[in-house]
Amino acid sequence: AIRMTQSPSSFSASTGDRVTITCRASQGISSYLAWYQQKPGKAPKLLIYAASTLQSGVPSRFSGSGSGTDFTLTISCLQSEDFATYYCQQYYSYPPLTFGGGTKVEIK
Amino acid sequence: EVQLVESGGVVVQPGGSLRLSCAASGFTFDDYTMHWVRQAPGKGLEWVSLISWDGGSTYYADSVKGRFTISRDNSKNSLYLQMNSLRTEDTALYYCAKDLKIIGVAGLDYWGQGTLVTVSS
Repeated sequence: AIRMTQSPSSFSASTGDRVTITCRASQGISSYLAWYQQKPGKAPKLLIYAASTLQSGVPSRFSGSGSGTDFTLTISCLQSEDFATYYCQQYYSYPPLTFGGGTKVEIK
Repeated sequence: EVQLVESGGVVVQPGGSLRLSCAASGFTFDDYTMHWVRQAPGKGLEWVSLISWDGGSTYYADSVKGRFTISRDNSKNSLYLQMNSLRTEDTALYYCAKDLKIIGVAGLDYWGQGTLVTVSS
C-alpha cells in the first residue's frame, strides 16, 4: 500500500499568514492526489484534486502543487474559517486508497 | 443539491453484524463510483471500500476484507455496507462518499454526515 505522510502534524498560525502543508507519498503517484479540509463535527470537504485543480466553490486562496512523491497545499492568506484539519489522499493505486495522517491548523 | 444520508449505525457487540445504508439524491447515482470511509473517534480518515457505478467492481481495505461487503441498488439510489464479525477496532463514524469521476476513481466530492458504529460489549 502507498503510504502518505503529512507534515507537520499540527501548527499554529495567525489570520493573514501564508501557510504550507506538505504531503509525501511512499512511491510515485503522478498527480493522483486530493486535499480535504475537515472541521470539528463535520464531514471532510474536497478542496483540490489532481494535485492542483481547485474544486468548484473553493476559494482561490487555496492552491495545490507537486507531482510524483512530493506535494503541497498552500493557503495564501489564512482566514478564520480555515482553521481546520487538512488531509491528503492518493488515488493512483488502489486498493487501498490512502489518506495522510492529517495536519491540524490552529489559531496562534 | 447532492445529498448523502447514512443510517444504520448502532451499538453492537463484538462478533456481531450490522448493515449501513446511504440514501443518495441530487445526482445521477448510477453514473458514479461510491465509497465508504470511516473515522475512529479522535483519529484520521480511513478508506474502507468502493464500488463501481454498476456494482461490477468492488475493493476493500485489508482491515475489513472478508468481513465487510459493499453493495448498491441503483433502482433505489442506495449504497450499503454489510459489516460482519465486528471488532472493537471497527468503532468509528462511517461516511458514505461520492466519487468525483463518472468512471474510475478520483477525489471524493460529496460526503454524508456519517453514521456512528460502536462495537462494545
